[in-house]
Amino acid sequence: DIQMTQSPSSLPASLGDRVTITCRASQDIGNYLRWFQQKPGKSPRLMIYGATNLANGVPSRFSGSRSGSDYSLTINSLESEDMAIYYCLQHNEYPWTFGGGTKLELK
Amino acid sequence: EVQLVESGGGLVQPGRSMKLSCAASGFTFSNYGMAWVRQAPKKGLEWVAYISYDGGSTYYRDPVKGRFTISRDNAKSTLYLQMDSLRSEDTATYYCTTGRGGYWGQGVMVTVSS
Repeated sequence: DIQMTQSPSSLPASLGDRVTITCRASQDIGNYLRWFQQKPGKSPRLMIYGATNLANGVPSRFSGSRSGSDYSLTINSLESEDMAIYYCLQHNEYPWTFGGGTKLELK
Repeated sequence: EVQLVESGGGLVQPGRSMKLSCAASGFTFSNYGMAWVRQAPKKGLEWVAYISYDGGSTYYRDPVKGRFTISRDNAKSTLYLQMDSLRSEDTATYYCTTGRGGYWGQGVMVTVSS
């Protein structure tokens, strides 16, 4: 199975900060990488697809990038509504696998 | 508006069966692959199974192979997950999603306990 190693697991940050979350794939997954946001008690929400494409309705302060086997989600100018847990998902190969999650919280 | 509404969860004893349903609306269900994703209490997301748009292909994570069956009824715009031989480690909130997570249901809790 493809392992998605997500870091950090916890990320304290201040409003207005620029933050980056990374997932490293254990095998080549091309650009078959998605990012999800999950707030407490809510269902996940798709944020990024195809590693770099913004999903419908997602604010432009969110962006996705790739460098080799490292995939990153960056949030520019952090807002209070961005506090959540973020997960990456590889869907290049079955079984699809999620990263362990990054909890973004106020410092 | 896309809506996915899960039902069928609850408390079940180990070794017993349970069937989840997901009623879809707001999009052409028969054009989309669908998936089930679960989340154990206070844990991360875990992909469970996927079914192609026509039901012709299905895929499962190893621990549920042979115990869970994903299926669909395109005439009823409904996705199913038949869960047999349930174990305590299957305890989770189960989410119905369009193929690769574009849309999610609200989730249904399944608790496997004696």
